[in-house]
Amino acid sequence: GAVVSQHPSRVICKSGTSVKIECRSLDFQATTMFWYRQFPKQSLMLMATSNEGSKATYEQGVEKDKFLINHASLTLSTLTVTSAHPEDSSFYICSVWFGSKNTQYFGPGTRLTVL
Amino acid sequence: AQSVTQLDSHVSVSEGTPVLLRCNYSSSYSPSLFWYVQHPNKGLQLLLKYTSAATLVKGINGFEAEFKKSETSFHLTKPSAHMSDAAEYFCVVSDDTGGFKTIFGAGTRLFVKA
Repeated sequence: GAVVSQHPSRVICKSGTSVKIECRSLDFQATTMFWYRQFPKQSLMLMATSNEGSKATYEQGVEKDKFLINHASLTLSTLTVTSAHPEDSSFYICSVWFGSKNTQYFGPGTRLTVL
Repeated sequence: AQSVTQLDSHVSVSEGTPVLLRCNYSSSYSPSLFWYVQHPNKGLQLLLKYTSAATLVKGINGFEAEFKKSETSFHLTKPSAHMSDAAEYFCVVSDDTGGFKTIFGAGTRLFVKA
């Protein structure tokens, strides 16, 4: 399957700062990537669909000005959490849509802790 | 609208006994269905998927699932549990409306006792 990486794997930041998380498709050109967040002992919640070369599509209730998504190339999508607050602490997971196989491949996730 | 319901938040089995993790779905279109496993502090791994081919789908590590349209179910089974199967399992529905949108179930935590 496609290999998806995320960087960093863990990040701790102070409240009010911004944090950028990278999602890379290592062996596949991805026109569509997804960003999820997962709170402890809970399921994944889709935040947004990232489309290469166009604006991301955000799910209802997700603030697009707070969670900035950039999908500038076919192998890289970034999620920037702006003015982070402790309630933004979560596990953020990206995935790549592999259309020919009708399957998503997930990155290993990024643990964000906001102090 | 799509939805997916995992009927059990926790399932506990003894090693060597069968595993059944239940999933029901709702979709307006012909759905694609997936099971993923998440081990602690690790990423999601695809176990198997149904995409309108054979209704009995075989996956990795001895898992399989059967798509039953009449029951709107996609239960995950394994004949004999292994200690390494202890993890969180997610049932996922995705419909082919062009948006590739996927909805995750709440997850089922599988415990395997020695």
